Amino acid sequence: SAVISQKPSRDICQRGTSLTIQCQVDSQVTMMFWYRQQPGQSLTLIATANQGSEATYESGFVIDKFPISRPNLTFSTLTVSNMSPEDSSIYLCSANQGREQYFGPGTRLTVT
Amino acid sequence: GESVGLHLPTLSVQEGDNSIINCAYSNSASDYFIWYKQESGKGPQFIIDIRSNMDKRQGQRVTVLLNKTVKHLSLQIAATQPGDSAVYFCAESKGAQKLVFGQGTRLTINP
Repeated sequence: SAVISQKPSRDICQRGTSLTIQCQVDSQVTMMFWYRQQPGQSLTLIATANQGSEATYESGFVIDKFPISRPNLTFSTLTVSNMSPEDSSIYLCSANQGREQYFGPGTRLTVT
Repeated sequence: GESVGLHLPTLSVQEGDNSIINCAYSNSASDYFIWYKQESGKGPQFIIDIRSNMDKRQGQRVTVLLNKTVKHLSLQIAATQPGDSAVYFCAESKGAQKLVFGQGTRLTINP
């Protein structure tokens, strides 16, 4: 199974600032995904990140707010831009290995 | 639009009993279904999956049942243990790529 790590594990940020979350996979993977999980709720897909192409965003999420990088087959970043308290959430990255999708531990973001 | 939901948001069972967690899905084009377990402060952990060409799949102490006629998915956990306490999510996809997650069920174990 793929082992996925994220940095930072948590952060408290002021509104109007931006935070970049890093995701590292211990093996090369084709597709990586970014999800948001608001407190006490389920996971919602933000975007799919493929190496060598622009990320594909889901309805309700835009590149200006959540720019994503995918420089190689083991790494991706998600930036939460111009943050507001509504962005307080857990952000998770995941990757497919075969048909199974594995998740990182998440980054808990609090915006004050 | 497509959606995946759960019948029960919370489930409390006695230690040693069997647990059954249910899930309904609405996208008949989905061909792959997965159950995840999420413990507090952690990311979702893969438990078991099933393709749409199957109606039952067994793992270690877990069984997933798929009823395509009524678009229903269930997870059965045998001999529930304290370590099974977590939130359980079903998820569905087409082509084993991006996942649509259900609401989640919190499973608590009574000693």
